[in-house]
Amino acid sequence: GNSVTQMEGPVTLSEEAFLTINCTYTATGYPSLFWYVQYPGEGLQLLLKATKADDKGSNKGFEATYRKETTSFHLEKGSVQVSDSAVYFCALRQAGTALIFGKGTTLSVSS
Amino acid sequence: DTGVSQDPRHKITKRGQNVTFRCDPISEHNRLYWYRQTLGQGPEFLTYFQNEAQLEKSRLLSDRFSAERPKGSFSTLEIQRTEQGDSAMYLCASSPSGSGATYEQYFGPGTRLTVT
Repeated sequence: GNSVTQMEGPVTLSEEAFLTINCTYTATGYPSLFWYVQYPGEGLQLLLKATKADDKGSNKGFEATYRKETTSFHLEKGSVQVSDSAVYFCALRQAGTALIFGKGTTLSVSS
Repeated sequence: DTGVSQDPRHKITKRGQNVTFRCDPISEHNRLYWYRQTLGQGPEFLTYFQNEAQLEKSRLLSDRFSAERPKGSFSTLEIQRTEQGDSAMYLCASSPSGSGATYEQYFGPGTRLTVT
């Protein structure tokens, strides 16, 4: 069946460091891919998405590229801020179905 | 529109009791989803509605769980005879419907259930 695997956290970085959170997926067909973020005490928010191979999703300085050949959708940011501290979830969705999430990666950024 | 709302935000109950949660989706969204999130895990799909029709149920949704969306607007999720393993955050999400899988699901803040 479909599944998402994320790198385990927590990830601890200093402000302005480069961030990569790895995400790989298993799916039949061509799913859409998403990154959601959950800030402390808040609900899940969509961070970015990509709907087909080689698409790049971007938002708030975060980027991720849909790589069909490696079945990956790694999240990157060039310079993290303290305010980026949150839990990040990679997810996929086939047409007409619910989201399938990874386990989440906790990011902690210190000043 | 203030987004997806859920009530209550927190619920503590004793094992064996019944609980009911409510979700109010974004008004123009005709799809509504329920997920469950346990500590250290990502959300797991439970069930979804298109308008008032319940179109899919996960195998996670045991016989003790029932969900309704009687008028195609708000939805309720009831858990009967709660067990300690039911302790989790219950998330509701809504989205518009249409072709493809690109439309965003908007999540509510969740209801945290603790079964003692």
